[in-house]
Amino acid sequence: EVQLLESGGGLVQPGGSLRLSCAASGFIFSSYAMSWVRQAPGKGLEWVSAISGSGGSTYNADSVKGRFTISRDNSKNTVYLQVNSLRAEDTAIYYCAKGLGSSASRISPDYWGQGTLVTVSS
Amino acid sequence: QSALTQPPSVSGSPGQSVTISCTGTSSDVGDYNRVSWYQQPPGTAPKLMIYEVSNRPSGVPDRFSGSKSGNTASLTISGLQAEDEADYYCSSYTNSLTWVFGGGTKLTVL
Repeated sequence: EVQLLESGGGLVQPGGSLRLSCAASGFIFSSYAMSWVRQAPGKGLEWVSAISGSGGSTYNADSVKGRFTISRDNSKNTVYLQVNSLRAEDTAIYYCAKGLGSSASRISPDYWGQGTLVTVSS
Repeated sequence: QSALTQPPSVSGSPGQSVTISCTGTSSDVGDYNRVSWYQQPPGTAPKLMIYEVSNRPSGVPDRFSGSKSGNTASLTISGLQAEDEADYYCSSYTNSLTWVFGGGTKLTVL
């Protein structure tokens, strides 16, 4: 059974940083791309970042380029999202999601975690 | 990376069929057969219903079907049931090597 467990969310001041983690199990982790998708309160889904199965390629939405960095440790079956220079508009539930395959064109999530809430407020 | 365009809401009675459209551009929906659809009941994580335009994951009822014509993809739900009431989102791969979601459609079962 595929399981994705996010952690690391919380309350942070504007300009602050957090590191989100997602521990995966139930599949061959290194064979699949992983993504982070966020959802602001009462709003729709927004794709944020993705990383290929090997970790050699990363992809980011324009809204977070230069501020968010995705990485993975295949030895720990874990994907990370380092979020810096946080703004109020980054407040959202951040979901970790497993891709259909390992490459960019197959990033489309097929399994999702339950999410971790990031609140940016002073 | 503009969001794909979906109608804000659709509705139907039990047993009827509804179709949700998802309009993109020649840089995303129109150029790739990499369109997915997700169902999200309130307070829960999204669930994959259709991938690569028309493929159903194991466990998804065959009442759910997907199609594409030009820059517009569609999700059709036939034989509506009360449990189908949820928000639905489309997504597509883009030629910028990114993914984009639609704004979401709220399905109400009358």
